[in-house]
Amino acid sequence: NAGVTQTPKFQVLKTGQSMTLQCAQDMNHNSMYWYRQDPGMGLRLIYYSASEGTTDKGEVPNGYNVSRLNKREFSLRLESAAPSQTSVYFCASSVTGTGSTGELFFGEGSRLTVL
Amino acid sequence: AQSVTQLDSQVPVFEEAPVELRCNYSSSVSVYLFWYVQYPNQGLQLLLKYLSGSTLVKGINGFEAEFNKSQTSFHLRKPSVHISDTAEYFCAVSVLRGYSTLTFGKGTMLLVSP
Repeated sequence: NAGVTQTPKFQVLKTGQSMTLQCAQDMNHNSMYWYRQDPGMGLRLIYYSASEGTTDKGEVPNGYNVSRLNKREFSLRLESAAPSQTSVYFCASSVTGTGSTGELFFGEGSRLTVL
Repeated sequence: AQSVTQLDSQVPVFEEAPVELRCNYSSSVSVYLFWYVQYPNQGLQLLLKYLSGSTLVKGINGFEAEFNKSQTSFHLRKPSVHISDTAEYFCAVSVLRGYSTLTFGKGTMLLVSP
């Protein structure tokens, strides 16, 4: 029972390099999210996709792009990485619509270091 | 918009002692409330949630939380902690909008020592 799977788990980049974080969920959830976690800051929403075919900015979208590839997959791209993007990134998914409580199901995180 | 305040960034406690982690929220509409736990180098997992009904909610690993609407609080408690409870705990609030609008507090690190 995989739940939410993120790849890669660890990545080191140099300033200016690009990379894509991949996320897939097998719970048939409509909504998917990308958060970043920094010490003392809690979790901050970068982008979300309320349903397949839609994406919206969250609290801290600058420097990121996302793609909702299909219902299962939601990727996060850093076009030109900066040291300020050193963080742990979490993908999450949730049920949408009737019966939804807002509960999120998280992946195990991707630790990104930008030198 | 809703917001969450976790009043303590770090709570040190001895093993077998009781603990309370405090959480206050702000919202102009009805909310759902959650506590998540994050063990070192792991993702977040749900500890418990308040949706409606009884204001005392029981979760996994012996934790419980009480929803207090008048004080807009949702404090987490455990009567006797173990070393294995050492983790970061996040309070979160959600309003219904068809998709999740979960807003997190900044977290409380629970440090249990022998």
